[in-house]
Parts: sequence; structure tokens; C-alpha cells
Amino acid sequence: DQQVKQNSPSLSVQEGRISILNCDYTNSMFDYFLWYKKYPAEGPTFLISISSIKDKNEDGRFTVFLNKSAKHLSLHIVPSQPGDSAVYFCAASVGTGRRALTFGSGTRLQVQP
Amino acid sequence: GAVVSQHPSWVICKSGTSVKIECRSLDFQATTMFWYRQFPKQSLMLMATSNEGSKATYEQGVEKDKFLINHASLTLSTLTVTSAHPEDSSFYICSVPDRRVGELFFGEGSRLTVL
Repeated sequence: DQQVKQNSPSLSVQEGRISILNCDYTNSMFDYFLWYKKYPAEGPTFLISISSIKDKNEDGRFTVFLNKSAKHLSLHIVPSQPGDSAVYFCAASVGTGRRALTFGSGTRLQVQP
Repeated sequence: GAVVSQHPSWVICKSGTSVKIECRSLDFQATTMFWYRQFPKQSLMLMATSNEGSKATYEQGVEKDKFLINHASLTLSTLTVTSAHPEDSSFYICSVPDRRVGELFFGEGSRLTVL
């Protein structure tokens, strides 16, 4: 049973436009959510996180929105840049920091110049 | 610079041999490290939690006798894939939690190809 789901395996957007990546989860115990960016043959790189006590967290071009009632979160990238092209993983944990993460299956983002 | 270092970054071996992958925390001590595995076009799946001074805890479906984990010190955990088979070919990644900042840092990953 996949507890964290990313239903879109790929997304293509034009440079300068907004990229919206979606993630759904089923485990109501999750209270900390993260987005990672990953290039092939490299480890994931942390992008942004959000605690369940918030519904929005912003860091530069990246904003994560959390809808607890819908068990849904999304990552907005605006404006999108070609360098953003990568696979984005949504991850969740119970508690912060020291806990192992449950990852979604990833969404490949392609930003067209 | 890198906070977590993995070695080797890639390895090719023959079926039946054993392969050791190291994960080092460069910036802080870690009593816990996590080992993940990623098959092509799939998610990162937690394999086991490496605990300094005690046995590793394995996720359901992961054979502890096949994937030996040794948390040798507060900065080093090793994953040994014993008697490797082609189906063990995967991308193995470790992560280390930094209690000071409440974040998980990932290694660069190790790609294992078993012929």
C-alpha cells in the first residue's frame, strides 16, 4: 500500500511559467512533509518542507501548500527555469528530523526553454 | 560541501560476490542512519535503519542476512550486499539525520550492477 502517491509521472512546462507538482498521502499520522529534487545517479537534494501545523511555506521560487483535510500537498515553482528539470519526490514522516521518510514515486519535470 | 559521503558511487560485480557500500557522516555524529534503495523509475524505498551500538532494524521484505548493516562508529555505516544477484542491481542511498537542524541529509548514492 503506497502511503505517499504522486500520480503524475511527468510534467512539462514552459520556462517562466508555473510548475505545480502534486502529492497525496493516506497515513493521517504523517505530520511533516518534504520535497526533494533528484538528478539521475545522485542522491536527493532537499528543497522545502512543511509541518502539519502550517498550510503554506515559501522559500524563494518554491512554495509548498498543505491541505490536511484532503491529505494533499503541492509544490509550486514560479517562475520555472530549465535548471529545474529533474525528478521531484514528495516525502512524509511522522515527526521531524530523525525519522525515516516515506517517498512518493516521483514526478519528472521538464522545463522547456 | 557534502555532509554525507557514500563510497563507491558505482560498482559492477559478478553474481555471487559480496559488495560493501560505505556511508560516512562528515559533519556530525549520527547514532542513526537510514538505507534506501531505488529501482529504475520507482520511488526510494526504506530498507533498514542502522543503529550505532545495536542491531539494524529492517523493513518488511528486506532480508537481513542478505543485506548486512554495520554501524561501525558514530560517523560510519556500511551496507554489505552478500551473494549479490542481478535482481539486487539498484541505486542504494543512505541518509543521516542531523539532530541539530532537524533535517535529513542524503549521500550521493551508490549504483550497483550485478552481472
